[in-house]
Amino acid sequence: DAGVTQSPTHLIKTRGQQVTLRCSPKSGHDTVSWYQQALGQGPQFIFQYYEEEERQRGNFPDRFSGHQFPNYSSELNVNALLLGDSALYLCASSFTGTGAYEQYFGPGTRLTVT
Amino acid sequence: AQSVTQLGSHVSVSEGALVLLRCNYSSSVPPYLFWYVQYPNQGLQLLLKYTTGATLVKGINGFEAEFKKSETSFHLTKPSAHMSDAAEYFCAVQLRTGTASKLTFGTGTRLQVTL
Repeated sequence: DAGVTQSPTHLIKTRGQQVTLRCSPKSGHDTVSWYQQALGQGPQFIFQYYEEEERQRGNFPDRFSGHQFPNYSSELNVNALLLGDSALYLCASSFTGTGAYEQYFGPGTRLTVT
Repeated sequence: AQSVTQLGSHVSVSEGALVLLRCNYSSSVPPYLFWYVQYPNQGLQLLLKYTTGATLVKGINGFEAEFKKSETSFHLTKPSAHMSDAAEYFCAVQLRTGTASKLTFGTGTRLQVTL
């Protein structure tokens, strides 16, 4: 049973560019959440997707957008990259159902903005 | 709004010694509580969780944590540290919405285990 997978593993971009990160959820999961983890910090919630709609959003600017596909996989897009966007981006999947609350994390994508 | 405070950004113990990592939370209602571990250059792995029932919960790798409502705490312990326990540990809270809603994390505690 494959867990949560993310691609790419590492990415280097220049300020002002745009980036797309990808996530495939754990088998049987239908909900994807994205988190940003800056160096030395705990993960910060960006947003969550369920049924191809954004269900929850954290305190991130509109430069951060996402998408969920019918197969439950998801993309995170960041426009007009800033140096401060350099971080580990974590995807977590879960199942939306009665009593379900656990989120399973992928290995992350390390984004470096120069 | 929920928040999590992890006391001690860096904890060092000797191999075989007791591990105690502290976590206090703030929430309008008792939340779900989690401890995650992160090894270098990896994602987060769930160690244990408290949702309801027994307040002392056991997790993987010999870790356990006790939910104390009166103290709004959820401290993580392990009786005997092993070198392989060296990692970053995060405490997290989640609102009881009936779904896997967003996690709010603490800033983490780096555990160092020495010989």
